[in-house]
Amino acid sequence: LAKTTQPVSMDSYEGQEVNITCSHNNIATNDYITWYQQFPSQGPRFIIQGYKTKVTNEVASLFIPADRKSSTLSLPRVSLSDTAVYYCLVGDMEAGRRALTFGSGTRLQVQP
Amino acid sequence: ETGVTQTPRHLVMGMTNKKSLKCEQHLGHNAMYWYKQSAKKPLELMFVYNFKEQTENNSVPSRFSPECPNSSHLFLHLHTLQPEDSALYLCASSQAPLRGNTIYFGEGSWLTVV
Repeated sequence: LAKTTQPVSMDSYEGQEVNITCSHNNIATNDYITWYQQFPSQGPRFIIQGYKTKVTNEVASLFIPADRKSSTLSLPRVSLSDTAVYYCLVGDMEAGRRALTFGSGTRLQVQP
Repeated sequence: ETGVTQTPRHLVMGMTNKKSLKCEQHLGHNAMYWYKQSAKKPLELMFVYNFKEQTENNSVPSRFSPECPNSSHLFLHLHTLQPEDSALYLCASSQAPLRGNTIYFGEGSWLTVV
């Protein structure tokens, strides 16, 4: 199975920038890195996707170093509604298997 | 709305019952998936379908039986389940089951086995 490692949990306060890093040492050459957000009792929702360097959209930025063995999701000025679990998703390195495997995720708690 | 609709949202069934979960996607995607999410566990991929053909079965017990009659519909037939099968079952779809494709999830079906 794909091996992604994220912090189990993080705490922040409203208005702060939050950076969540995911390690994926076995990422394949053609793999993209995708981050999802999940609120309780809901399915995960796409946040951002990238292959290398930096990607920015209206909700987040994604930083990917040259070796692509990690990635960092950056949430600017978080609010209480950003309290959720964040998942990093990369492809599975096992030969011939295209499993779409989520890691354990990072539980972000935003305090007032 | 994500374009992926699951029914029912909640289901309670006995261990001897037979029930089905239904999923429909309105995104024109070719790949559909079933995931299972138990309390305090990561999302587990169960099945992958591409153009109606099953391409992945992640060692799922035979008491879970998927069916994909076309690229827009996916079912999960349930029979003789165990209490430990109680979980949130998520359906998802993507353009194709390739690593670079964004996955769109439904809201999930909460299953309780009593």
